[in-house]
Amino acid sequence: QQPVQSPQAVILREGEDAVINCSSSKALYSVHWYRQKHGEAPVFLMILLKGGEQKGHDKISASFNEKKQQSSLYLTASQLSYSGTYFCGTLDQTGANNLFFGTGTRLTVIP
Amino acid sequence: KAGVTQTPRYLIKTRGQQVTLSCSPISGHRSVSWYQQTPGQGLQFLFEYFSETQRNKGNFPGRFSGRQFSNSRSEMNVSTLELGDSALYLCASRFRTVKLAGGSGELFFGEGSRLTVL
Repeated sequence: QQPVQSPQAVILREGEDAVINCSSSKALYSVHWYRQKHGEAPVFLMILLKGGEQKGHDKISASFNEKKQQSSLYLTASQLSYSGTYFCGTLDQTGANNLFFGTGTRLTVIP
Repeated sequence: KAGVTQTPRYLIKTRGQQVTLSCSPISGHRSVSWYQQTPGQGLQFLFEYFSETQRNKGNFPGRFSGRQFSNSRSEMNVSTLELGDSALYLCASRFRTVKLAGGSGELFFGEGSRLTVL
C-alpha cells in the first residue's frame, strides 16, 4: 500500500527545475504532499483530490492522474529553501482510512 | 495556536525494555496518527485514533500499541524493545479522519520522539 516515489534523491543548483513522482498500485482517492526539512517536522504542501486537478503553492505545483494512480510534484526555479525530503501520502479507494506515505525524495539545492 | 507536542524528544533504552511516548494534539483536533520514520523506509503508518477509538492499524507487531484519552491526547507504547525499533516516532493530528474529511484535510506533525535502542 505504500506508494513508490522517484527519484530517491536529487541535487539541483538554484534556479533549476525538478520533478518528483509518486505512484500507487491502488486506485487513489487523494494524494498529499509534505516537505520535511532536516531535523524538523513534516509540513503540509498540498492535497490533490481525484479529478485530475493541478494545484500550486508558490513555485511548487502538482498534478494527479487518477487513471494512472500517479502524482507529480513540480519545483520550478528552485530556491535554497526548497531543500528537504518530500513525501507523498496516498489515500486509496480500497476502504483504508489512513494515509500511506512513500519513502521520500531528498532534494538538495546548492548555490 | 499551539502545535502538536510530543514528549520526550529523545530517549535511550536497552533491548527488552518498554517505552511510552506521548502526543498532545492541536486543540480541537480529535484524530491522532502515529508514524515510524527510519532512513530508507520513509514514514510507516502505525495507527490512528479518533474519539478514543483506534480506527486504523498498520503492519506492526502487537508490541506496538496505543491509546487516546478523552482530551484527545494520545500515547503509544512499545514493549520488549528490539534494536530495529530505533527510529523517530512522529505524531500527527487533524480535526477528523482523512476519510471523514472526504480525502482532504491537512496533517499537523509534531517534531517527534527519537528513540534509540541499545
